Amino acid sequence: AQSVSQHNHHVILSEAASLELGCNYSYGGTVNLFWYVQYPGQHLQLLLKYFSGDPLVKGIKGFEAEFIKSKFSFNLRKPSVQWSDTAEYFCAVTGSGNTGKLIFGQGTTLQVKP
Amino acid sequence: DAGVTQSPTHLIKTRGQQVTLRCSPKSGHDTVSWYQQALGQGPQFIFQYYEEEERQRGNFPDRFSGHQFPNYSSELNVNALLLGDSALYLCASRGLAGLKEQFFGPGTRLTVL
Repeated sequence: AQSVSQHNHHVILSEAASLELGCNYSYGGTVNLFWYVQYPGQHLQLLLKYFSGDPLVKGIKGFEAEFIKSKFSFNLRKPSVQWSDTAEYFCAVTGSGNTGKLIFGQGTTLQVKP
Repeated sequence: DAGVTQSPTHLIKTRGQQVTLRCSPKSGHDTVSWYQQALGQGPQFIFQYYEEEERQRGNFPDRFSGHQFPNYSSELNVNALLLGDSALYLCASRGLAGLKEQFFGPGTRLTVL
């Protein structure tokens, strides 16, 4: 079955702490991977994406993610979080030949304390 | 450049009623997908429209139907509403086949009483 699993449901960090959010997927074949963010009161926005090539991808606002094919993982990282990073984060996958259907994880709520 | 827009913002219906939600894609985009996001969950794919036809469908019953118009805008219709249909309904659009990124609208919050 095609699925995405995000291990951390609710993460609380202090400002300047480092962040790593886990994401594992189950999907046959070549994949495209995404991290979306939903700030309070705002719509889903793309943080970063992986299609092919360098498995370490950099996104907006200092976020990066690493695709590890052997582990079916695409973890999100940020060296130093800010209060403004408080949001809900979603990992998503599509097949490279089927980019219309995004399969999302259930999301991780990140709360950053000032 | 307007992004994806959806209407209405909020909607309250009672069980058994029917509802229509609307979406205008981002300028230059021709493919529209609809997602249902229940509280505390990630979005779930309902279906995708391209060239006015349903191209893919997720695991949703026939009560969920849609339409795409020649100007690429789209509607999501849900018949015989159930309490479990209460959710945020998201529309996403993307452009030509070579562009894989989907852009999301703000959503319509549907409450079924």
